[in-house]
Parts: sequence; C-alpha cells; structure tokens
Amino acid sequence: RKEVEQDPGPFNVPEGATVAFNCTYSNSASQSFFWYRQDCRKEPKLLMSVYSSGNEDGRFTAQLNRASQYISLLIRDSKLSDSATYLCVVVHSGYALNFGKGTSLLVTP
Amino acid sequence: GAVVSQHPSWVICKSGTSVKIECRSLDFQATTMFWYRQFPKQSLMLMATSNEGSKATYEQGVEKDKFLINHASLTLSTLTVTSAHPEDSSFYICSARDPLAGRGDTQYFGPGTRLTVL
Repeated sequence: RKEVEQDPGPFNVPEGATVAFNCTYSNSASQSFFWYRQDCRKEPKLLMSVYSSGNEDGRFTAQLNRASQYISLLIRDSKLSDSATYLCVVVHSGYALNFGKGTSLLVTP
Repeated sequence: GAVVSQHPSWVICKSGTSVKIECRSLDFQATTMFWYRQFPKQSLMLMATSNEGSKATYEQGVEKDKFLINHASLTLSTLTVTSAHPEDSSFYICSARDPLAGRGDTQYFGPGTRLTVL
C-alpha cells in the first residue's frame, strides 16, 4: 500500500465551481501535512499546511482527520489559474516529504 | 520567500557519461537538503537526504555509488549521476530546509533539472 494515496483525476470543472480533493495516508505516526501545487514541468510549490483544527487561506480550505488518516482540500470559486496538479504531502519522520501522485485539476471557461 | 536554485535546468547526455547537478540555497543556510526524482505522471520520490558535512542518507533502492551526493557547504549540495543510462532520464528536484523558518519542516524547492540520457 502506498504511503500517500490520491485520486489522480483529472477533475474538469467550470470556472466558479467548488471542487474537493481527498488524500489518505497509511502511517498513523505522521506528523505534518501539506498541500503542494505543481504546474506542468515545474517544481512543486507549497500551497498550504494542514492543521488538525482545519485552516483556510482565501478560497482554499484544508482539513485533517487523524482518526481516519484523511486530508482534504476544498477550492471555492475556481479560477482558470487554479489548473494544476495538487500534491498531498505527509511527513512522518525527520523532515523528508512523502508525496502522493497528485490530483490533476483543469478549470475551464 | 527563500530561494533555491538548481543548475543546469536541463541536460542531454550520451549513455555512460556522468552528470553533475547543483542545488544552492541563495538566501539561507541549509543544513539539510533533499534530492527527489519524478518520472512522468508519477509522484516525487525521495532519493536521499543530504546533511552538510556528513554522508548522505539514501532511500531503499537508490544506489549510493551511482548517485553521488556531496554537501560540502551550508548553501550547496551536488548530485552526480554516474554512468548515466536512458532509464535515469527523469526530473531531478532538490529541496532545502531552512532551520530558522517558522516551521522546522518548511522546505523550499529548486526549479528542477530535466535529464535526458540518449
């Protein structure tokens, strides 16, 4: 079983739509959780950290359920510029990041 | 935010040659750097953790004699792919950890190096 699992998509949504991505992780000792965004042929960029209490940054909301080992990302009012691959990232020991394969999002006009 | 550079951004080489990739933290001192590899439509996979002044720690399945890592200073780590073969063609990305950043697990990624071995 992979450490971090995501639905690869692609998710095709119209501009203005709300879209949600899910991620599960296998190591219950995992300590830190992030969502990264990766554009085609570019390096990943940190979108937001994920906290147990849930956190929001503008149109983006991230939630963590430790009991279910589940992380989510909600994007409201989708923009064309949100089109990218969203990577779920988990840290369980040291500082090394464990990446999911990513969920592809395409926002259409 | 912090900046990490990589050089070269892309390289094409013949099978059997060695390729060196540099990763630099430009405005902070990175005690730890990480090297990742990403094949098309795959996730980033950690290859090794590079600690300044000590030997790198390699992930299972990564040949340390093939992927040589040197972290001689707090701002530079190098990855040398020795005797490269076509199956080594990939996107190599480094990241650097800023120990003074708000969160100890904050990492900054370089722009990546696309290696193509003919």
